[in-house]
Amino acid sequence: DTGVSQDPRHKITKRGQNVTFRCDPISEHNRLYWYRQTLGQGPEFLTYFQNEAQLEKSRLLSDRFSAERPKGSFSTLEIQRTEQGDSAMYLCAGQTGTSEQFFGPGTRLTVL
Amino acid sequence: AQSVTQPDIHITVSEGASLELRCNYSYGATPYLFWYVQSPGQGLQLLLKYFSGDTLVQGIKGFEAEFKRSQSSFNLRKPSVHWSDAAEYFCAVGALSGGGADGLTFGKGTHLIIQP
Repeated sequence: DTGVSQDPRHKITKRGQNVTFRCDPISEHNRLYWYRQTLGQGPEFLTYFQNEAQLEKSRLLSDRFSAERPKGSFSTLEIQRTEQGDSAMYLCAGQTGTSEQFFGPGTRLTVL
Repeated sequence: AQSVTQPDIHITVSEGASLELRCNYSYGATPYLFWYVQSPGQGLQLLLKYFSGDTLVQGIKGFEAEFKRSQSSFNLRKPSVHWSDAAEYFCAVGALSGGGADGLTFGKGTHLIIQP
């Protein structure tokens, strides 16, 4: 158990709808990362936070993607106007200092 | 830009046989290297990491990996595989902080199949 939880585990939505995913790391994880993993590929880095500050967001896939970590604890990733190409596993990882990243179980998104 | 190559998409090994999974990386600075394992429908579990020091690192579940700077490689090994080792294995490279502004860069993974 990495201590990182994600909710929901699965999400099915229709094209054009907005979706929001939540990640809860442990309190010691001052850094939080979001990745996307498509079928047959390794995870792809999207964005990361140092406490509540979002220090890198240029790798978000489009302006339909946004992320927040309002109090430096949990984080949310939102996708607006979903497209079928957004179907993937979305992974969150927490990190303490310069340790390794600990991944949550992921949220699998299916866009119909 | 950094990259990770895992040349073997699938590997089949008999139970009890030895295993080596290959990983080559391209990174502009001192690489920090990781191997993660992912079982179906699960998140990623860290097997081992290399930050500095001894180039042969030991991990969980009997795995080890050797960092070879001259070959830009970080191959994963296990002397005797078990059926429970069947999974997807990912090699990753990151910055000094173990992530930072670039996150981790992952390879495409190697799917390990264990034959009885």
